[in-house]
Formats: sequence, C-alpha cells, structure tokens
Amino acid sequence: KQEVTQIPAALSVPEGENLVLNCSFTDSAIYNLQWFRQDPGKGLTSLLLIQSSQREQTSGRLNASLDKSSGRSTLYIAASQPGDSATYLCAPSDNYGQNFVFGPGTRLSVLP
Amino acid sequence: DAGVIQSPRHEVTEMGQEVTLRCKPISGHNSLFWYRQTMMRGLELLIYFNNNVPIDDSGMPEDRFSAKMPNASFSTLKIQPSEPRDSAVYFCASRPTGLGYGYTFGSGTRLTVV
Repeated sequence: KQEVTQIPAALSVPEGENLVLNCSFTDSAIYNLQWFRQDPGKGLTSLLLIQSSQREQTSGRLNASLDKSSGRSTLYIAASQPGDSATYLCAPSDNYGQNFVFGPGTRLSVLP
Repeated sequence: DAGVIQSPRHEVTEMGQEVTLRCKPISGHNSLFWYRQTMMRGLELLIYFNNNVPIDDSGMPEDRFSAKMPNASFSTLKIQPSEPRDSAVYFCASRPTGLGYGYTFGSGTRLTVV
C-alpha cells in the first residue's frame, strides 16, 4: 500500500524567500505525481503534474522535481509571496495512472 | 468549462437522516472519484468510476455509503443513515480516462451531522 509523507508539516517564512517542500512515497511504481494547493475551506487546485519519465516540471515560480527510484519529489517555490500561503499536497499515482494517494500536506504561511 | 460541480456546498443534517451529495464531472472526463477529507485522516479515496462503472469501492467505509453514476455527467454519493462521524468535506474529482492525466477537483461539500 502506497504511503506518502510530506516534510515539513508546517512552514512559516518571510516574504521573498525561496523554499522547498518535500514529498516521499514508499512505492516507486508510479505513473505520475501531482502537486496541489488547498486554501482554507476550499477545494484542491492543481499546480503541476509531472510524469514518471520527466525529471522536472515548471510553472511560473513553481518547479517540481521527481526522483521516482528514490521515492521523492520536491516542490520549489521561488520568491514566495503572502498569496502563496496555503496547504500544499503531493499525490503520486499508481502504476496505471489511475488513482492518486495523497500526502498529509505542508501548511505554508508567508509573512508580509 | 465550468469545472467539476458539486452540490450542495454545505449540508447540515440530523443523525439518522439520509444525505445525498451530487457531482457533475467535466465533460469528456470519463473517470470520476469521490474523496473524503478529515483533519484526522486527510484525503481518503472512497470510490471511483470509469465510464460510469464502479471500479474500486474498497474505500467506502460501511454499507451505509453508496455511490452511483447513472450517466457520464452525474454521480451521487448517498449516506443512509448518517452518523456524526460522517462529518467531513466530501470532494469529487474527474479526469480523462487513460494514461498521464491528473485530477480536477470540485469545491467540495462540507457535511455536518448533528
């Protein structure tokens, strides 16, 4: 059974810092991995989808990397802003790209 | 595209009552997923459908929970009878069937059973 952990559980940083969120998963037989953000009381918004054949995926100030063999993914946020404050969840898929298993999330606070 | 649409946004009901949650997936997305989110357990997959057919319902907690997808544009999750421990946010997500696609989530239904 896939187990996903995210470190740190919570993070508070001043505006402008570059930061890294970590995701680890126990079963490396994945097809892809998706990163989401969730604002309090809201649904999940997809940030990046990275295929197992890719090493990196970028969108604006966000960069996700994937090391499938070691069971790790990182989300890099450049020049953080208060609007980035949210919970960030990673979700690796199964080997068929069907189901995604979610980590517990990292709660990020970016202080002005 | 209006995205994945869930209704109602909030539901408060008394213990023992029947609750029905609704989901309209994105047109053309033939895979639909129901998740439950709580503080204690995070996001848990309850059931998913491919082409309107239930594929895996192993996450459905009890016989009190049932889900249907009568057509490609509509799915329901029913709880009968509801209990206070069912209080959670229930999310619906959809994706195109096939390899390499990610999820699009609805806004969720916050269920409170008193």
